[in-house]
Amino acid sequence: DIQMTQSPSSLSASVGDRVTITCQASHDISNFLNWYQQTPGKAPKLLIYDASNLETGVPSRFSGSGSGTNFTFTISSLQPEDVATYYCQQYDNLPTFTFGPGTKVSIK
Amino acid sequence: QVQLQQWGAGLLEPSGTLSLTCAVSGGSLSDFNWSWIRQSPGKGLEWIGGINLSGITNYNPSLKSRVTISMGTSKDQFSLRLTYLTAADTAVYFCAREAGSFDLWGRGTLVTVSS
Repeated sequence: DIQMTQSPSSLSASVGDRVTITCQASHDISNFLNWYQQTPGKAPKLLIYDASNLETGVPSRFSGSGSGTNFTFTISSLQPEDVATYYCQQYDNLPTFTFGPGTKVSIK
Repeated sequence: QVQLQQWGAGLLEPSGTLSLTCAVSGGSLSDFNWSWIRQSPGKGLEWIGGINLSGITNYNPSLKSRVTISMGTSKDQFSLRLTYLTAADTAVYFCAREAGSFDLWGRGTLVTVSS
C-alpha cells in the first residue's frame, strides 16, 4: 500500500500570503498526484492533476509541483475564499486510490 | 453539463446494509470510470471502490469483504452496497467520476449507523 502524508495538518496565514503545503508518498508515484480543495459541507473540488496541471477554471494562484515522493501545493496569494481543507491523492497504485490526511487552511 | 445525483437511506441500524445509487445526467456512464468515496465525521477521504468502462469492479482491500459496486438497474446509474454496518461506517458517501483524478462529484449522502 502507498501511504500519503501531508504537512502541516493546519495553518493560519494572512490574506495575500504565500501558502505552501507538502505531500509525501511512501513510494515513488512519479507524477500521479492530484490536489483537491474541500469547503465545509461540500464535495472536494479538483484543483491540480498530474502534480502540476491546473484544472480548467481554477485560479492561477494555485499551483503544484514535484515528482517521485515529494510534492508541493502553493497558493501564491491567499484569498478569503481559499479557506478550506486541501487533500493530495495518489493514483500510481491503480486500481486503488489513496488520499492524504488533509491540511486545513484558515485566515489569521 | 454533466452532473451526478445520488440518493439512498440516511439512517441505518448496526448489522444492516447500506444501499446508495448515483445517476449521471448530461453524459454517459460508459465514457468513464466511476467510484464511491466516503468521509467519516471530521475525518479525511477514503476511497471505497470503483467500476470501470467494462463493468469491472475494484475495491479498497479494507472494505472488500463487505462492498459491492454495480451498474444500476436503470441506464446511467451505478450503485453501492455495504453490508454488516457498524458505527464506524457512519460517514458522508460521495460518488465521483474517475480518470486518475476525481473531477466530478456528487453532493454526498450522510449515512448514520445507529440503533
